Amino acid sequence: DAGVIQSPRHEVTEMGQEVTLRCKPISGHDYLFWYRQTMMRGLELLIYFNNNVPIDDSGMPEDRFSAKMPNASFSTLKIQPSEPRDSAVYFCASSLVAGSAYSNQPQHFGDGTRLSIL
Amino acid sequence: DQQVKQNSPSLSVQEGRISILNCDYTNSMFDYFLWYKKYPAEGPTFLISISSIKDKNEDGRFTVFLNKSAKHLSLHIVPSQPGDSAVYFCAASAPFQGGSEKLVFGKGTKLTVNP
Repeated sequence: DAGVIQSPRHEVTEMGQEVTLRCKPISGHDYLFWYRQTMMRGLELLIYFNNNVPIDDSGMPEDRFSAKMPNASFSTLKIQPSEPRDSAVYFCASSLVAGSAYSNQPQHFGDGTRLSIL
Repeated sequence: DQQVKQNSPSLSVQEGRISILNCDYTNSMFDYFLWYKKYPAEGPTFLISISSIKDKNEDGRFTVFLNKSAKHLSLHIVPSQPGDSAVYFCAASAPFQGGSEKLVFGKGTKLTVNP
């Protein structure tokens, strides 16, 4: 089975440019999560969707960040305009259900996009 | 305010010995805990989990222990193998509240198993 697929794997761009990260979740998974990993803050949740609907975007750092899920098999995370402090590894994950004690269905992660803003 | 803490950034053990990775949490509402393993240039992969109604869960060489009164959990790997060398993340979730449910991760512990 194909896992969570993210693209691109690496992105290097200049400050001020628009950046779009893409994610294809595992087929049949109803939940999709976007995370950011930095040395300072570790792995933090940015936003998650249930059945293509954003449920919690409280982790989105600023209005420069936006995420969409137009259908069950595709999601994007966009940064516009990008800044050097946005440099991080961005992970997408999906799961059958949310991570509750009663589900025992873990989140499956993609391999991430390493973003560098110069 | 870090709700899940892994106070040891790194750990080094000899092959065949036991590896013990520790995790502390502050939110008493957490009721489900997971460990993920991450290799370089890859995403985290699920390893083992435990519900708050249990104090131990075992899967092969991996055992997770939960001490709710101390708000502490640990992952034991016995025996440790060089292929276990990776970064290990502890994560926790609280029950469904207000339409939001999510995992909170620690910053990870890098385990090195020496041959």
